[in-house]
Amino acid sequence: AQTVTQSQPEMSVQEAETVTLSCTYDTSESDYYLFWYKQPPSRQMILVIRQEAYKQQNATENRFSVNFQKAAKSFSLKISDSQLGDAAMYFCAYRSVETSGSRLTFGEGTQLTVNP
Amino acid sequence: EPEVTQTPSHQVTQMGQEVILRCVPISNHLYFYWYRQILGQKVEFLVSFYNNEISEKSEIFDDQFSVERPDGSNFTLKIRSTKLEDSAMYFCAASRGTYNEQFFGPGTRLTVL
Repeated sequence: AQTVTQSQPEMSVQEAETVTLSCTYDTSESDYYLFWYKQPPSRQMILVIRQEAYKQQNATENRFSVNFQKAAKSFSLKISDSQLGDAAMYFCAYRSVETSGSRLTFGEGTQLTVNP
Repeated sequence: EPEVTQTPSHQVTQMGQEVILRCVPISNHLYFYWYRQILGQKVEFLVSFYNNEISEKSEIFDDQFSVERPDGSNFTLKIRSTKLEDSAMYFCAASRGTYNEQFFGPGTRLTVL
């Protein structure tokens, strides 16, 4: 079974600065998807960015980018020019491609605080 | 922009009672999911549903749980006889296809007393 680990329960960043959230995962599969979801206080989870394992290029969405290291099974999220609205819980998630089903396996989450 | 909606936002029930949590997925999204998040713990997959059948379920999804799409729009999760440990936030999600993005609803907070 796949597992996802986020070793930083809490992180903080100054507004306009850059922060990196860590995520590692364990799998024996070679093809899969990785995601970062944001969960603001309203509780609704929103997809931030997604990475397909067979793509070597790191995904980027505006101020959000990932550092995907397949061999190391590492998938970190970098938030540039942090804004107050980025404050939320961030979840890293894994989804298999090789096995049937499309369940998401989540990490424990990292609570991000953005200081003005 | 279409959204997944869930009702109620908060449900309080007595242990042993049945509860039904409701979800209205986005109209052209045909794959449905339930996840739960016990306070302070990870978000956990419960079940996926497609074409009126369960596609996949986790070990958490035992005989106390059931899902159905009773009227072609709502997607429900029923817990037959609630236990204290069922207290959690329950999220519904929907996607266009198996490998498409899953859109989450705002969740239902279930409190079992």
